[in-house]
Amino acid sequence: DIQMTQSPSSLSASVGDRVSITCRASQSVSNSLNWYRQKPGKVPELLINRASSLQSGVPSRFSGSGSGTDFTLTISSLQPEDFATYYCQQSYNVPLTFGQGTRLDIK
Amino acid sequence: EVQLVESGGGLVQPGGSLRLSCVVSGFTFSRSTMSWVRQAPGKGLEWVAKMKEDRSDEMYVDSVRGRFTISRDNAKNSLYLQMNSLRAEDTAVYYCVTGGAYNGYFANWGQGTLVTVSS
Repeated sequence: DIQMTQSPSSLSASVGDRVSITCRASQSVSNSLNWYRQKPGKVPELLINRASSLQSGVPSRFSGSGSGTDFTLTISSLQPEDFATYYCQQSYNVPLTFGQGTRLDIK
Repeated sequence: EVQLVESGGGLVQPGGSLRLSCVVSGFTFSRSTMSWVRQAPGKGLEWVAKMKEDRSDEMYVDSVRGRFTISRDNAKNSLYLQMNSLRAEDTAVYYCVTGGAYNGYFANWGQGTLVTVSS
């Protein structure tokens, strides 16, 4: 199984800050890496697909980069609705696996 | 508008069975790989099972293989998850999602249905 490890597991930031979350795969997943945001009590929503493609309707403050084993989600200017938990997910091999999540809190 | 509506969750005793259903609209179900993803209370996301549009490529996470069965009825725009021999660790919200193909992504999610396994 491909293990996905996110760092940090949690972080605190302020509205307007630029933040980055890292996801590392235990083996190469090429560009088969997706990012999701889950607001408290809500359903997960897709932000970035295939490492760097912004999903339709997602604000441009979100961006993704990386390939192989190392990936980054960057939020250029945090908005109040961005305080949530973020997950990476690989779609290279079955079982499809998620990272453990990164909780982003208001400082 | 894409909609996925799950039903069938509830409280069941360990060793019991449940069948989850998901009715979809707003996209061509018969051309879409579909998956079930679950989330235990306060925990992260876990992919459970997937099935291609032609009912092939039926795959499961190890922890449910042999106990859960995914199926679909393209004529009814419906996805199912038959869950047998349920365990306490199967307690979770179960989401019906579009996607699960190689190099794909989970673009659309239902609201989820809660399954609680407890005596």
